[in-house]
Amino acid sequence: IPLTQSPSSLSASVGDSVTITCRASQGIASALAWYQQKPGEAPNLLIYDASSLETGVPSRFIGSGSGTDFTLTIASLQPEDFATYYCQQYNTDPLITFGQGTRLEI
Amino acid sequence: QVQLVESGGGVVQPGGSLRLSCAASGFSFSIYGMHWVRQAPGKGLEWVAFTRYDGNKEYYADSVKGRFTISRDNADNTLYLQMNSLTAEDTAVYYCAKPKAIFGVVVSLFDSWGQGTPVTVSS
Repeated sequence: IPLTQSPSSLSASVGDSVTITCRASQGIASALAWYQQKPGEAPNLLIYDASSLETGVPSRFIGSGSGTDFTLTIASLQPEDFATYYCQQYNTDPLITFGQGTRLEI
Repeated sequence: QVQLVESGGGVVQPGGSLRLSCAASGFSFSIYGMHWVRQAPGKGLEWVAFTRYDGNKEYYADSVKGRFTISRDNADNTLYLQMNSLTAEDTAVYYCAKPKAIFGVVVSLFDSWGQGTPVTVSS
């Protein structure tokens, strides 16, 4: 199931709130996760089941949506939040797919 | 804590082969299906392959089907990826990834990743 993220990149400032969108080509219920990846590092799980916060992840990361349209909102950006973000569907577990990524820049 | 340590990457000529390993510790490896995910330089994440917890069922991305083989040794807590007929398009960092258990059900989203092992296919 292809996933389309938008925008591909965006610029923001510390303290801003930003929203990234992930659209599935067909309904995937709430089987969507979000990851953060910093250069040279492995991805880190932020959100699963579309809106559940992974243990240890700050509450400024907010996931929402179901069916085909999902969003990741980062409230009050911190310096460490500038990274690339990926969505991933697992409705067709174990045949999973990732979005193409959204690069968040200062 | 969970640790996944990949090894076996390197530089290989087109048409060559390579075998990646992922040593797992800190969790009950034998009850988890496991995945390989790769990332080409400057590109996004691409799912590569999955093996069921007992090694008796595998799935592959179309881009590697027929060339790559995923396997596991539950006695040794190790995941493998045998890669044959390599092309430049296989150049990437290869990660092994552990699915997350949600209320006792293992789901193919990943709460632990290895550090990755780089594979470069070049003459």
